[in-house]
Amino acid sequence: AQSVSQHNHHVILSEAASLELGCNYSYGGTVNLFWYVQYPGQHLQLLLKYFSGDPLVKGIKGFEAEFIKSKFSFNLRKPSVQWSDTAEYFCAVNAYTGRRALTFGSGTRLQVQP
Amino acid sequence: DAGVIQSPRHEVTEMGQEVTLRCKPISGHDYLFWYRQTMMRGLELLIYFNNNVPIDDSGMPEDRFSAKMPNASFSTLKIQPSEPRDSAVYFCASSLRAAAGKYYEQFFGPGTRLTVL
Repeated sequence: AQSVSQHNHHVILSEAASLELGCNYSYGGTVNLFWYVQYPGQHLQLLLKYFSGDPLVKGIKGFEAEFIKSKFSFNLRKPSVQWSDTAEYFCAVNAYTGRRALTFGSGTRLQVQP
Repeated sequence: DAGVIQSPRHEVTEMGQEVTLRCKPISGHDYLFWYRQTMMRGLELLIYFNNNVPIDDSGMPEDRFSAKMPNASFSTLKIQPSEPRDSAVYFCASSLRAAAGKYYEQFFGPGTRLTVL
């Protein structure tokens, strides 16, 4: 069964600091990868997604992620965070097994201090 | 677009009562998913439907949980009888049918926060 690991459970940064959130998945075949964000009290929104092609994916609000197949990783990055980036971030994977559901990581809570 | 609509947004009930959560997916979407979010277990898939047919219900915790999708624009998740450990946020999501080599993103509703006393 596929699984997703997010090793950083809680990250605290100051505004303008750089961000990198780790995501590793366990599945040896072809995968689709996603990062979702959940702002306080809101529903999940898609930040970016990877299907194929360029392993460096750019998303909304200045976020990007890099797919490294050899490391089974899909880390999320942002060069300079803002207070408004305070939220919980979820990595998710869908493997090409015919099952259409996403498997989510446990989430990383990001707190940006002004 | 209205997005995925869920009701109610908040539900407080007493142990033993029946709870029904409702979801209206985005028009034209073929897949509908029910997730549960708790502090302890994170986001868990409960069940998903394709063209109104349940495909995978392996995440449904036990027989107290049931889900239906009588038509393309409506789904319910029912808990009977409810227990305090069912307290969580329940999300509904929908997506388009995946094309070859792709998997379309899931669009999430605002969730229903359920509290069972």
